[in-house]
Parts: sequence; C-alpha cells; structure tokens
Amino acid sequence: EIVMTQSPATLSVSPGERATLSCRASQSVSSNLAWYQQKPGQAPRLLIYGASTRATGIPARFSGSGSGTEFTLTISSLQSEDFAVYYCQQYNNWPLAFGPGTKVDIK
Amino acid sequence: QVQLQESGPGLVKPSQTLSLTCTVSGGSISSGGYYWSWIRQHPGKGLEWIGYIYYSGSTYYNPSLKSRVTISVDTSKNQFSLKLSSVTAADTAVYYCARQLLGMDNWFDPWGQGTLVTVSS
Repeated sequence: EIVMTQSPATLSVSPGERATLSCRASQSVSSNLAWYQQKPGQAPRLLIYGASTRATGIPARFSGSGSGTEFTLTISSLQSEDFAVYYCQQYNNWPLAFGPGTKVDIK
Repeated sequence: QVQLQESGPGLVKPSQTLSLTCTVSGGSISSGGYYWSWIRQHPGKGLEWIGYIYYSGSTYYNPSLKSRVTISVDTSKNQFSLKLSSVTAADTAVYYCARQLLGMDNWFDPWGQGTLVTVSS
C-alpha cells in the first residue's frame, strides 16, 4: 500500500504571493498523481491530473510538476478564492490513496 | 454535465449498517467508461477511498474496509449504493460519491456534495 505525505501541513501566504505545496509517495507512482482543492463545507474539486495537466476550467495560475515519488503544486499568485485545503492522490496502485492535505491560509 | 447526489440517514446506531445512495444525473451509469466510487472524510481529517463499482456490478474495495463494505448498482434508477456494516463511532464521517475514469486514469471527477453520517446511540 502506497502512503502519501504532504508538506507543509499549513502554509501561510499573502494574497498575490506564490505558494508551493509538496506531495511525496512512499514508492513510485510514475505520473499518476492528482491534486484537489477543498473549501470549507464543500466537496474536493479536481485541479490537476497526470501530475501536470490542469482539469477543465482550472486557471493557469495552478501548475503541477514531478514524477516518481516527489510532486509539487504551485499557485503562482494567490487569489482570495485559493485559500483552501489541497490534497494529492495517487492512482498508480490500489488501493487509491490521498495525502493528509496542506491548508493554505491568509498570512 | 454529470452531477452526483448522496442521500441516506444522517444518524446510525453503533453495530448497525450504514446505507447511502448516490443518484447520478446528466449521464447514464450504464454507458460505461467509468467507475463509481465512495470516499469518506472523517471530521477535520483527510480522505479515504472506500471502493468502486462498475455498471456491470464488478467491484473493488479498499482492503482496510473490505470485510464490512458492499457497493451495489441499480442502473434502472441510475444509482449506486453503499452499505457499511457493524459501524462504530470511527465510521462517523462525511461520505462522498464520485466518478472515476475506467482504466489507469483513476482520479475523481466530479464529486457529490457529501453527506454527514454520525454513528451514535
């Protein structure tokens, strides 16, 4: 079973600044990694799949990179609506697994 | 566009069976091409994938829950359902249904809004 970890647990960022979130897999997941955004009281929303492909309707300020065991989600210039919790998910092996999340809050 | 909506009791007694249904609109479960999944989120915690079903009825469950989980499908109603037996307080969570592509592309999109199930006497 693949275990996903994310760092940091909380990231405090000012609006307009860049945010860099990390996700690590306990073994290689190739590029089979997705990122989700979750706001309070809402379901997660798909942002990125294939480690770097933005889902439909996702703004270009969101970008993903990495392969193997190390992945990064970058938000180039944080907007007010981007303050949320972000989860990574591997889909290379069963059972599918999520990371514990990174909360991006306002500095 | 496809939308999913969970429904079911919000309160279940310990040792009983949790039962939820996900109704799919804007698309047919029978059209194939997708798995239909259940995912849960304990209060203030991360996400746990429970299992999926294909329209044919084939299933795959997370080994951590496999002994207590049953997922079924009713294509005539365009619904799929979750049963989780012998629940305890540890099963208190928001339960989501979601769609995932067939094959290797097993990310989740879209998701239902989620429904909170509390296990308490």
